[in-house]
Amino acid sequence: NAGVTQTPKFQVLKTGQSMTLQCAQDMNHNSMYWYRQDPGMGLRLIYYSASEGTTDKGEVPNGYNVSRLNKREFSLRLESAAPSQTSVYFCASSEAPGKGYGYTFGSGTRLTVV
Amino acid sequence: QKEVEQNSGPLSVPEGAIASLNCTYSDRGSQSFFWYRQYSGKSPELIMFIYSNGDKEDGRFTAQLNKASQYVSLLIRDSQPSDSATYLCAVRGGTYKYIFGTGTRLKVLA
Repeated sequence: NAGVTQTPKFQVLKTGQSMTLQCAQDMNHNSMYWYRQDPGMGLRLIYYSASEGTTDKGEVPNGYNVSRLNKREFSLRLESAAPSQTSVYFCASSEAPGKGYGYTFGSGTRLTVV
Repeated sequence: QKEVEQNSGPLSVPEGAIASLNCTYSDRGSQSFFWYRQYSGKSPELIMFIYSNGDKEDGRFTAQLNKASQYVSLLIRDSQPSDSATYLCAVRGGTYKYIFGTGTRLKVLA
């Protein structure tokens, strides 16, 4: 069981470049999430998808876009990277968060914007 | 703004002792509470969840919830050096999402 798979694991971008972070889960979960984690700031929600076909903004959506491609895949796009987007990005999924199920996290993407 | 507060630590305990980690939350209507463990450089992993007042035990871990006082605790009995990690508290902040605290770093000294 792969769980939640994120690619790439590491990435260095120049300011202004764009990139897409990929996430796929094989647990048939309905809900998927993108978080960023910064020292002293904890995990902050960027976007989430409660179910296939829906996406919603989280706490820090500016500078990001998402696509829920199908039930398995949820991608995060940085259109014009900025140094403030240097962070560790985690994708997560949940079977039924409304019923109290927790998250399963991917291994993370370490992004540096120079 | 719904908030989840944790002491950042580090909390240092000797091997074999009980580690007590605390978390307070601001939304009185919160119903589901989670503890995640995160080793350095790794992703968070779910270790406990609780939704009823009182205690919930799982092996060496006990989660305690007090909704009236709006706090949730995690006790780790017989602490081991392998328990050294950052522990994140999460509270359901809406139907589909959770709000995380910044985490408490635990160091178990051999």
